[in-house]
Amino acid sequence: SQTIHQWPATLVQPVGSPLSLECTVEGTSNPNLYWYRQAAGRGLQLLFYSVGIGQISSEVPQNLSASRPQDRQFILSSKKLLLSDSGFYLCAWGGGTGTNTEAFFGQGTRLTVV
Amino acid sequence: GNSVTQMEGPVTLSEEAFLTINCTYTATGYPSLFWYVQYPGEGLQLLLKATKADDKGSNKGFEATYRKETTSFHLEKGSVQVSDSAVYFCALTHWTNNDMRFGAGTRLTVKP
Repeated sequence: SQTIHQWPATLVQPVGSPLSLECTVEGTSNPNLYWYRQAAGRGLQLLFYSVGIGQISSEVPQNLSASRPQDRQFILSSKKLLLSDSGFYLCAWGGGTGTNTEAFFGQGTRLTVV
Repeated sequence: GNSVTQMEGPVTLSEEAFLTINCTYTATGYPSLFWYVQYPGEGLQLLLKATKADDKGSNKGFEATYRKETTSFHLEKGSVQVSDSAVYFCALTHWTNNDMRFGAGTRLTVKP
């Protein structure tokens, strides 16, 4: 069966420090991968999605970037964190073009920028 | 583009009350529709889904019917429990553009 791993679960980082959040998927190949951010008390904002290795689509301009170095690995990064980057980050995978499957989520990373 | 609009919360109910959370969508063609639930500090879990018009998704006493004529997918439960307290998200996927869109989420609190 498919599983998705996301780490770390919680992270406290100072303003201006770098960020790297990792997400890996097992049990499926060539998944679509997504990064979402959930600010406190708010809904899910789609940040990036990827349909294949090295293919990244950005939904909104921001202080973050994403990379997909391997088929089942998706990384969210920042060179210098801002206070406004605090939030709950969720990685997800879903079916690709031609399918309307549901999304499967990791457990999330709670990021607090101080 | 595709989008989902759901009823704003928070919603507070007493145990055994009837629940409705409204959800409407905008999309071309035939998306699949979903309800997800998020318990505190966790990721989202699929609650139910419907993949074509007039389909009814159901799980754990929750139901939602895919209404293409009103572009809606309202979530209902006849008798809520304290353990149903969570945030509920309406969502759609559309195969033509790898899109996965979520509503803003509705926080439900059920009091004993």
